[in-house]
This record gives sequence, C-alpha cells and structure tokens, in this order.
Amino acid sequence: GAGVSQSPSNKVTEKGKDVELRCDPISGHTALYWYRQSLGQGLEFLIYFQGNSAPDKSGLPSDRFSAERTGGSVSTLTIQRTQQEDSAVYLCASSLLGQGPGGYGYTFGSGTRLTVV
Amino acid sequence: GENVEQHPSTLSVQEGDSAVIKCTYSDSASNYFPWYKQELGKGPQLIIDIRSNVGEKKDQRIAVTLNKTAKHFSLHITETQPEDSAVYFCAASSGGFQKLVFGTGTRLLVSP
Repeated sequence: GAGVSQSPSNKVTEKGKDVELRCDPISGHTALYWYRQSLGQGLEFLIYFQGNSAPDKSGLPSDRFSAERTGGSVSTLTIQRTQQEDSAVYLCASSLLGQGPGGYGYTFGSGTRLTVV
Repeated sequence: GENVEQHPSTLSVQEGDSAVIKCTYSDSASNYFPWYKQELGKGPQLIIDIRSNVGEKKDQRIAVTLNKTAKHFSLHITETQPEDSAVYFCAASSGGFQKLVFGTGTRLLVSP
C-alpha cells in the first residue's frame, strides 16, 4: 500500500481481556517497529523486526506483550490480560533494509488508540 | 542506554515569530538525530534530520543544529505559520540507526 496501515484505529477493551493490534507495513519495507505513546509522553520503543533476523524485543514492558511478523510483512502486537496502564496509542513504523530509521525509509502509521476500562 | 530530554514541553508563539526546541542526549555514540512532527490523530512524520558529521542543516523555514561536544541539538522554525502548530519530537539513534529513542515532545501553538 501507499503507507503504513494500522487496525483497528481505536480499541476499547475490558481489563483482563487480550487484544491484538495489526500493522501492514509499506510493501517492500523489511524493517518494522512498534512504539507506544502514552498521554503526555514520548514514543517508547517496544520491538523491532528486520528481515529474517531475530527480533529486538528489548522494549517490551512485560511478558504480557508479544509480537509476530508473518511472512516478513504483516505484524501483530498482542497484549494479554490487559491492564489500565496499557492504555496508550500504539504506533507501527516500517523502513527499507539498511536505512534504519533514517530519512528515507522510516514511515509511521496513524496508530491504534487502546483504552482499557 | 540512550536518554533524550526535550524542552520546552509547550511553546506558544505569534505567527511570523521564530520557534526553537532543544534536545539533549546521553549516548556519545549516537550519530543520527531526526525531528518528527505529529498532528492530531496522525502518526509522526519526519520533517528534518541531521547526522553526526554535520553541524547544521536547513530546509526552507526549518533548520537543525547539532553540537556533539555538548550532546545537544535544536530545531529552529522561522516565520512560523498556524499550520506549524503540532507536537514536535526529537530523537536519537541507538544501535546503528536501527532504533530511535524519542524525547517527550513539544506542543507548539502558533497564533494568528
């Protein structure tokens, strides 16, 4: 597609439920990133996928968070047993191989606003 | 790991004035410093970036300066316009350009 697509755009869930957030990167982009943006805060790195390499999971806040990237394209971020502190906007970005977050390949989606009630 | 601080958190200017946003970083190995603009309901968009071998870069009304010795970099917007109103984030690379660490953002409001 023309840009990074995220779905759903908004998600309200009850505390304790599991949620799945989806990211469709730009076609051909081999690197994919998930960030979390809490109200009044900056963007917090969660996880990074690059080609067939093992993902960098160093930013995942707890073992309730996991992510997969199937076929080197679509990625799903799963949050199990959601808590109120998980409420945030979850942003996905993609980039071309070797260009990292540099100026030519790092594009963000519009995010999924997650509200845990 | 890298830590990026950004100031001010909010900035109000009159149309036509200049705006300056400042960031400091902690990791002397960081070598890539982009700035992103985020409008309401949208993801951040890259507006300008600078690499460690350059001290200043300009693109029309926006410019970024980098001082590696002091580990700080700044965004300058001249002749501000109402459409410049948004949240601006600075960031620094950590780990070979592959992972960005962001500042906490500056909400810029340009009044007509």
